[in-house]
Amino acid sequence: KQEVTQIPAALSVPEGENLVLNCSFTDSAIYNLQWFRQDPGKGLTSLLLIQSSQREQTSGRLNASLDKSSGRSTLYIAASQPGDSATYLCAVNQGNQGGKLIFGQGTELSVKP
Amino acid sequence: NAGVTQTPKFQVLKTGQSMTLQCAQDMNHNSMYWYRQDPGMGLRLIYYSASEGTTDKGEVPNGYNVSRLNKREFSLRLESAAPSQTSVYFCASSGQGGDTQYFGPGTRLTVL
Repeated sequence: KQEVTQIPAALSVPEGENLVLNCSFTDSAIYNLQWFRQDPGKGLTSLLLIQSSQREQTSGRLNASLDKSSGRSTLYIAASQPGDSATYLCAVNQGNQGGKLIFGQGTELSVKP
Repeated sequence: NAGVTQTPKFQVLKTGQSMTLQCAQDMNHNSMYWYRQDPGMGLRLIYYSASEGTTDKGEVPNGYNVSRLNKREFSLRLESAAPSQTSVYFCASSGQGGDTQYFGPGTRLTVL
């Protein structure tokens, strides 16, 4: 059974710092992996999707990498800002059950001015 | 472009009452999903619809039913609500099963 883990559960950094969020999964037979952002009391916003054949994807200050063989993905945030404070979730799609996503528990990020 | 919309935003029910959560998307997506989010459990799939006219069970389907009314709308029904169904419910949609999923704002349900 696929399990997705995100460590740490919470992270606090000063503004301007570069940071890395980690996501690991137990079954390397994935179709793709998606990173989301969730603000308190809100829905999920998609940040990046990496296909299983890709190594990384970039969007602005965000860069997501994927190492399928080792079951790991990282989300790199450059020059963090207070507006980046949110919970970041990674989710794995195994290509079955119509695109079902298996989510990690999330990393709660706080960027302090 | 509204994306994925959900109604209601908040609901309080008594044990045994029934209700339907509504979801609609205006992105012409084929696939739609219902998830629930609970502290310590994360997000889990309840039901999904890979295309209009089809529905399938996800990880936690017990106590729920769904209807894919048309390509735009996918509803979730609680026939006899239980306190264990207190949760935040999210609807999502994607073009196809493997595509980026877009989420609605959620429905916060409390069952007393």
